[in-house]
Amino acid sequence: DAKTTQPPSMDCAEGRAANLPCNHSTISGNEYVYWYRQIHSQGPQYIIHGLKNNETNEMASLIITEDRKSSTLILPHATLRDTAVYYCIVRVARTGNQFYFGTGTSLTVIP
Amino acid sequence: NAGVMQNPRHLVRRRGQEARLRCSPMKGHSHVYWYRQLPEEGLKFMVYLQKENIIDESGMPKERFSAEFPKEGPSILRIQQVVRGDSAAYFCASSQQGTGDYEQYFGPGTRLTVT
Repeated sequence: DAKTTQPPSMDCAEGRAANLPCNHSTISGNEYVYWYRQIHSQGPQYIIHGLKNNETNEMASLIITEDRKSSTLILPHATLRDTAVYYCIVRVARTGNQFYFGTGTSLTVIP
Repeated sequence: NAGVMQNPRHLVRRRGQEARLRCSPMKGHSHVYWYRQLPEEGLKFMVYLQKENIIDESGMPKERFSAEFPKEGPSILRIQQVVRGDSAAYFCASSQQGTGDYEQYFGPGTRLTVT
């Protein structure tokens, strides 16, 4: 599975959009981009995933560049409860293929 | 629909004792994954199981660690003769069968402390 690069930490003002970048320049054509987050040592929580089209759900939006070498997770209106470590993972969508978690981005939402 | 359940949530063992960690997957999920998270680190894959089968144990330490997922009951991660370096959070995840484009749902974890 391709390696990802994320900034180690970011701050965001409460109520503003949080934009978390991820570089995956070696991604291959059959690898999806997944985002998870981990709030204070709880179990990781699934956020969103996509292949090449932009995706949106009730939690966030995922913007994938046309060349698929990078992506951005957008939390449209960050709250204090969004403070967490966010993991960007690329993986082949194959049953049983595990997720490789890096060190992620520690997002702090500031009141 | 209950999520992934793990117990115990906290487990304290003395060096040399055995630790048994249990994981009940989400209803309808037949794939189970175990991950370990050492302090200040990301999650590391350990093992992937289906009912009665170990599919991928490439992340499991070669000694003292074993896992099973019986036909009935929860998946068990067993650590024999624990050492202080085994102190970590152990997370279980589950997923549905038969699809590749899927998400894994994680349990709350078991925090093992070896004294």
